[in-house]
Parts: sequence; structure tokens; C-alpha cells
Amino acid sequence: AQRVTQPEKLLSVFKGAPVELKCNYSYSGSPELFWYVQYSRQRLQLLLRHISRESIKGFTADLNKGETSFHLKKPFAQEEDSAMYYCALGGGATNKLIFGTGTLLAVQP
Amino acid sequence: SAVISQKPSRDICQRGTSLTIQCQVDSQVTMMFWYRQQPGQSLTLIATANQGSEATYESGFVIDKFPISRPNLTFSTLTVSNMSPEDSSIYLCSVGVEVGYGYTFGSGTRLTVV
Repeated sequence: AQRVTQPEKLLSVFKGAPVELKCNYSYSGSPELFWYVQYSRQRLQLLLRHISRESIKGFTADLNKGETSFHLKKPFAQEEDSAMYYCALGGGATNKLIFGTGTLLAVQP
Repeated sequence: SAVISQKPSRDICQRGTSLTIQCQVDSQVTMMFWYRQQPGQSLTLIATANQGSEATYESGFVIDKFPISRPNLTFSTLTVSNMSPEDSSIYLCSVGVEVGYGYTFGSGTRLTVV
């Protein structure tokens, strides 16, 4: 069965501090992993895909199959990064996406 | 990526009634899904809307309560039937070509049942 775990409900950091949002997954097949972000009063939007290995808004995430993790990182947090972040897992014939419980990132001035 | 129009954006309904939510996409998409996001919670997949056939429901969701239609590759509806206050939630449509590219989400329908 597919499962995504985000252990932190809330992560509060100061502006300029490094950020790491944790995500662990459980999946027997070849996983597709994503980070989605939801800013206040906006729709959910795709931030990163593991397959593209890109950096978006300064965020990066590396898939670690040994640790079954896909942590989201940013070296210097900005106030505009404050949002809800969801890790999502897809894969297999069903093509469905399963979401973690989300982490609220609060960047203090 | 696809542009999704979801209607209505919000509604307040009486218990025992039904509400149909529409999801219109500006391009043909292979995959279409319906999610629920209860207050303060994450997204829970309700079902996969299959074009031309019955939807595939996740555990805990049944067709009698959440009938879904998908007549073509750009449109789907989700009906929340015989509503109770526990159905108060945000309902989201999600679409994409294949999971590896990630999916796009609609703005959601905020449903309140009184």
C-alpha cells in the first residue's frame, strides 16, 4: 500500500534560516514523488517533481530510496515561503496520488 | 498545464439534499480524480473518474454516496448525496496526463451542510 508520512504539522523558522520539511514514503514499486504547496487562499499547486531534479523558488528535494525519503530543503527561508506544504506519492497502474498530512511552514520576520 | 474550472466555488446546503460539483478542463486529459479536504486535514482521494465507465472508488467511499460521471475527456461531475454535516468539506478536482508529470488541481468547492 502507498503511504506518505510528514512528521511535522508545523515548522516555524526565522527569515534567512535553512528549512527542511520531512517526507517519508512507503511503496513497494517505483515511486513518483512530488511536493505541492498551498499558499493562503490559493489553490494547491505543484512545486517539485523528483524526476525533474529542478530547483523551484530556491527549494530542492532529493529522492533517497535507501531511506525512503523525499525531504524538501531551502537554504534561506523567505517570509513569502509561508504556506502549507504537502508531500505526495504516485506510482503503479492506478496513477493516483496519495498525500501526506501536510506541514505548515511559518517564516517569522 | 491544464486549466480547471470547478463549480460551484462554495455552497451551503440543507442536510438530506444533494449537490453536484462540476469540473471542466480546457484540454483533454487522461486522468481525472476527486479529492476531499476536510477542515484542517490533508487531501483524501475519493475516486478516479474513468471516461466512459464507472469510477473507481477508494476504501471508505461508495458510489451511492458519491456518484461520479465522466462523459468525455474534459468534463466530470461529483455528486454528494443525502448530505449530512459530516460532509462539510472542500471537494477538489484533479487532472493530468500521467502521474509522473504531477497533477493540476481545481480551486475547490467549499461545501457546508447545515
